[in-house]
Amino acid sequence: GAVVSQHPSWVICKSGTSVKIECRSLDFQATTMFWYRQFPKQSLMLMATSNEGSKATYEQGVEKDKFLINHASLTLSTLTVTSAHPEDSSFYICSARDLRGPGNTEAFFGQGTRLTVV
Amino acid sequence: GNSVTQMEGPVTLSEEAFLTINCTYTATGYPSLFWYVQYPGEGLQLLLKATKADDKGSNKGFEATYRKETTSFHLEKGSVQVSDSAVYFCALTPTGNQFYFGTGTSLTVIP
Repeated sequence: GAVVSQHPSWVICKSGTSVKIECRSLDFQATTMFWYRQFPKQSLMLMATSNEGSKATYEQGVEKDKFLINHASLTLSTLTVTSAHPEDSSFYICSARDLRGPGNTEAFFGQGTRLTVV
Repeated sequence: GNSVTQMEGPVTLSEEAFLTINCTYTATGYPSLFWYVQYPGEGLQLLLKATKADDKGSNKGFEATYRKETTSFHLEKGSVQVSDSAVYFCALTPTGNQFYFGTGTSLTVIP
């Protein structure tokens, strides 16, 4: 099946610095990718929809200036957490749909990135 | 709106025990339903899915049936193994784009 690769798997950064997370579709093109965030003991919540060649669409309550999303190509979306603070520590995961084939509703997920801000 | 309610864990079972993880949903229209599994340190993997009412998804001994009348998609396995220890997420998508997840149920199977 289709593969989505996310990098890095984990990162520790100092408060006030920025961290970039990459999400790549390895064997298919993804015009749209999705970024989710998972707090401990909670479910994944959609943060934003990343659109190739245009601005991302953010969910209500998500700060677009803090979580910068760039979808510069059909196989790569990046999420940059700017001026990170300890409350940004979380598990971030991306997904993309492989639209090849009729009626395909399966989304593929990256392995996730564990961000710890100290 | 769209939402998924999943039974809370953690769940601890002995090997070969029967597993049920309850999942109910609310949705506009006719969503597709999924179970994803997350093994320690890994991302989400699709376990099974069903795209219309009365469909049964199955994989690796796990099953779930799309019940429109009860808006449910309960996950079952007749005999769990230690290797099934993971977190299980029930999810739906109305359009195939945005997914709505339950809170996840942690399963630990002991020998």
